This record gives sequence, C-alpha cells and structure tokens, in this order.
Amino acid sequence: AQKITQTQPGMFVQEKEAVTLDCTYDTSDQSYGLFWYKQPSSGEMIFLIYQGSYDEQNATEGRYSLNFQKARKSANLVISASQLGDSAMYFCAMREGGDDKIIFGKGTRLHILP
Amino acid sequence: DTGVSQDPRHKITKRGQNVTFRCDPISEHNRLYWYRQTLGQGPEFLTYFQNEAQLEKSRLLSDRFSAERPKGSFSTLEIQRTEQGDSAMYLCASSLDAGLTEAFFGQGTRLTVV
Repeated sequence: AQKITQTQPGMFVQEKEAVTLDCTYDTSDQSYGLFWYKQPSSGEMIFLIYQGSYDEQNATEGRYSLNFQKARKSANLVISASQLGDSAMYFCAMREGGDDKIIFGKGTRLHILP
Repeated sequence: DTGVSQDPRHKITKRGQNVTFRCDPISEHNRLYWYRQTLGQGPEFLTYFQNEAQLEKSRLLSDRFSAERPKGSFSTLEIQRTEQGDSAMYLCASSLDAGLTEAFFGQGTRLTVV
C-alpha cells in the first residue's frame, strides 16, 4: 500500500494566486515527521517545510505553510502568492518514528502561468 | 559550499560496464542515504548508513549494487555490469541522527546506460 499519496499529477495556476498541493499519508506510528520538497528542472531536491506529528501548530516557512490535519492523515502544502519560479515538481514525504528512511510520494508537477 | 556534494553529475556508460558514484554529506551529519529516481517518479529508497554502518538495504538494491561508507564520511555507490534499466538519477542525502529531522539532498548523478 502507498504510504504517501499525491493525487494531483499536474496543476496549472495563475501567477500570484495561492495554490494547495494535496498529500495524504498512511502510518500506524504515533511519532512521525512530514516533509515537502521542491525539485526544479535542474534536479536538485530542495527541502521546503517540516511538520512533526506532535506539533500542534501548522508549520510555516515564508510563503509555504503546511495544512496538517492529523485525524484525516492529510498534510497539504499551501503556497501563497505563487511566483513563476515556483514551477517545479513537489514531493510530499514522511519519516516514521520506527524507521529511519524517508518515503516519498510520486509528486505533483506545478506550472505557474504568467 | 557546505551542502551535500555528488560526483559526477552525469555519467554515460555502455551496458555491462561498472560505474561508481561518490557522495560527500554535510560534515556533521551521521546519516547518509542513497535514493534512485526515474523519470516522473518520486525518489525510491536504496540504502542508508549510520556513520560507517549500513543499516538497511532496499529490495531494489540487487547484488550488482554495493554501497560503502568506510570512514563514516563520504560514501560510494557502485553498480556492476550495468543494464539499461539502471538509467536513472541517483540521489544522495544526509541528515542528523537525532529525531525525525529532514534530509538534505545533493544535486544527484544522472546515469545513462547505452
């Protein structure tokens, strides 16, 4: 079974609009971490934001915020005021407390339109 | 530059040849990971090290693949008798060994087997 599910293979968004990228996860651990990475066409994986399972507040990093809904096992990434440079692949990922590796979803390709 | 460094960035090899990739992690990071990423997919876990100890290997890592981290610093990933199906981006990442921390990735080595 997929541990990380990203249901949007691709999205087109007008510049300056906010965008939400969906991510659901599956774990039986109580302790886990959720991550979002950005991968531009250059190929480098850029860490964006982290949410711990025990964190009560949603994580925010500049224009990025993580909408964490624990009961729904959902960890959507919200990008406010999108920019052309936000066009990239975005990956949701998880690290479980009983495991050291990070597992990735299949990604969402985001296109920002001028 | 204090990020994760991978060498080479690109490698083209003939089928049946051996190739070796190198990864230099962030200096204070004890964990080092290798991932493989094919076109349009998320990174797939291959193996990881805690210092010099290789703690987990994925079933994806056939016996043609071997990874080492002899002194707990840099790591090498060797593929013997390469096949066309080995063509992919090979990503290295490192993280601290405490808690559910994020991993930082290098720019990857793109392998093309012809």
